[in-house]
Amino acid sequence: DSGVTQTPKHLITATGQRVTLRCSPRSGDLSVYWYQQSLDQGLQFLIQYYNGEERAKGNILERFSAQQFPDLHSELNLSSLELGDSALYFCASSRWMNTEAFFGQGTRLTVV
Amino acid sequence: GDSVTQMEGPVTLSEEAFLTINCTYTATGYPSLFWYVQYPGEGLQLLLKATKADDKGSNKGFEATYRKETTSFHLEKGSVQVSDSAVYFCALSDASGNTGKLIFGQGTTLQVKP
Repeated sequence: DSGVTQTPKHLITATGQRVTLRCSPRSGDLSVYWYQQSLDQGLQFLIQYYNGEERAKGNILERFSAQQFPDLHSELNLSSLELGDSALYFCASSRWMNTEAFFGQGTRLTVV
Repeated sequence: GDSVTQMEGPVTLSEEAFLTINCTYTATGYPSLFWYVQYPGEGLQLLLKATKADDKGSNKGFEATYRKETTSFHLEKGSVQVSDSAVYFCALSDASGNTGKLIFGQGTTLQVKP
């Protein structure tokens, strides 16, 4: 158990819908990262927050957004969903910005 | 930009065989290097890491040495077990941006047969 909790574990939704994925980092970790794992793109960095502020952005679509709350949990919002958004979404956390990251078990999103 | 290239899989070995999974990288600056493992249906677990040239990371019988001259971080294990069957990812951290975001290779599937 990494200490990073992601909910839900599985999500099935229809095209055009909006979903929210939630991540609770390890106790004391200030940095949260979101990654997308798909068969064709592999593991791609989406976005990072550190202590409530956005710190780095990767290949994140404009339809996707994220935030980190004062209690340090984070949410990834995916809207206007397309079939191609079906993937495993991982959250990871680390104590500071450039220290070892621990991954959650992921949320498997299926868009039908 | 920074990138990581891993050998194509799947790699199929018999139990107790020697394992090597090749990983090379391209990066500006001095990144840290990692190997993560993903068991079926699970998230990624950090297997080992190295933060500077010539460092050797090791864990659970796995080893990898940070080779700056060949920009490589090959994963090795002397004697694999069936329980080592998983997907292995090589990754580097973004050293220049000081964010800690990881750039992953495409992953190598290892299957160990009894």
